[in-house]
Amino acid sequence: QKEVEQDPGPLSVPEGAIVSLNCTYSNSAFQYFMWYRQYSRKGPELLMYTYSSGNKEDGRFTAQVDKSSKYISLFIRDSQPSDSATYLCAMSDGSNYQLIWGAGTKLIIKP
Amino acid sequence: DVKVTQSSRYLVKRTGEKVFLECVQDMDHENMFWYRQDPGLGLRLIYFSYDVKMKEKGDIPEGYSVSREKKERFSLILESASTNQTSMYLCASSLSVANYGYTFGSGTRLTVV
Repeated sequence: QKEVEQDPGPLSVPEGAIVSLNCTYSNSAFQYFMWYRQYSRKGPELLMYTYSSGNKEDGRFTAQVDKSSKYISLFIRDSQPSDSATYLCAMSDGSNYQLIWGAGTKLIIKP
Repeated sequence: DVKVTQSSRYLVKRTGEKVFLECVQDMDHENMFWYRQDPGLGLRLIYFSYDVKMKEKGDIPEGYSVSREKKERFSLILESASTNQTSMYLCASSLSVANYGYTFGSGTRLTVV
């Protein structure tokens, strides 16, 4: 079993819909949680960064961490075709330099 | 704007060749990383460096080596390229330990024939 599980998709939704992307993990020591967005033929870029549990909002994006369930989510409101990308979750327990990555979910927003 | 630059976007090399992938960052970041990305497997760490001339093995270092002679430059070397090293290679940097906001380059798509 992988340490971080993420549905590869693709997830296809109409423009304007609310999107929910999720990752589950097995290591209860994880406390740093990130979402990266990767456009085709580009490197990933940091989208959201949260520490421990709770919610964090940035414009149309909300990151949610539920440590009791070992589950993190990224919500995208009023989704746009420009949000079409692969979304990768990543996390760390803070003890070293390394991130543990999900495999990524491909998201397609249909105009 | 912060930048990580990878020297080549696409490379085609022959089996057995020695291959050099170069990465330069202009942000004075301490840490630099080399990943490979394959469909369904996500990002896998090959090597990382937390200081000049320092290097640490990641999850899949076999068949690779690295060099960091200057703070801004981190090179990945495939000693003898093989077809199973065909992949997307991504370089990243971060400011310091426990800073997980990585900045990635655009990647090098390497094909070994």
